[in-house]
Amino acid sequence: DAKTTQPNSMESNEEEPVHLPCNHSTISGTDYIHWYRQLPSQGPEYVIHGLTSNVNNRMASLAIAEDRKSSTLILHRATLRDAAVYYCILRDPLSTDKLIFGTGTRLQVFP
Amino acid sequence: EAGVTQFPSHSVIEKGQTVTLRCDPISGHDNLYWYRRVMGKEIKFLLHFVKESKQDESGMPNNRFLAERTGGTYSTLKVQPAELEDSGVYFCASSFRQAYGYTFGSGTRLTVV
Repeated sequence: DAKTTQPNSMESNEEEPVHLPCNHSTISGTDYIHWYRQLPSQGPEYVIHGLTSNVNNRMASLAIAEDRKSSTLILHRATLRDAAVYYCILRDPLSTDKLIFGTGTRLQVFP
Repeated sequence: EAGVTQFPSHSVIEKGQTVTLRCDPISGHDNLYWYRRVMGKEIKFLLHFVKESKQDESGMPNNRFLAERTGGTYSTLKVQPAELEDSGVYFCASSFRQAYGYTFGSGTRLTVV
């Protein structure tokens, strides 16, 4: 399974943008890039996913490098509620449907 | 719409006992998954149902674990007999179609003493 690399932790101030990086140099052509986050004492929560083009939804934006070897999850204005562990996961629906979680990036948001 | 519901939220049992965890997926979601996080480790896949059929059970740790999804609605995960190393948080998730995002439940925290 293709592997992702994320920083262990990041910090942000409230209402500032946050850019969470993810490297996936061994990504295959059919891998989707998924982002989930886990708030304290909750299950993981789907954030966004994409294949090649940048994606936007109400929660975040996903910027995907042209060679697809890296991506960045963008929170446009961090809130205290965004403090969580963020996971970048590659998922190929054609081969296996399981999510392979790494250690993720722990985001701290300060008031 | 109602989310993925897991019951119980917490369970404390003695080693050697049996515990059954239940998951109610979002109505209409054919795909149902079980994951778990044991102490200090990453979240790991256990198995995947499509309706009532097991699509992939490659993550089930051993034959003490039995998952069922009769009728393709709710699912149960039974641990019998429970061991100390089974302690952790068990998550259930469902999705409408493969390649869509999953919706996870809040998990069941299992403690085996």
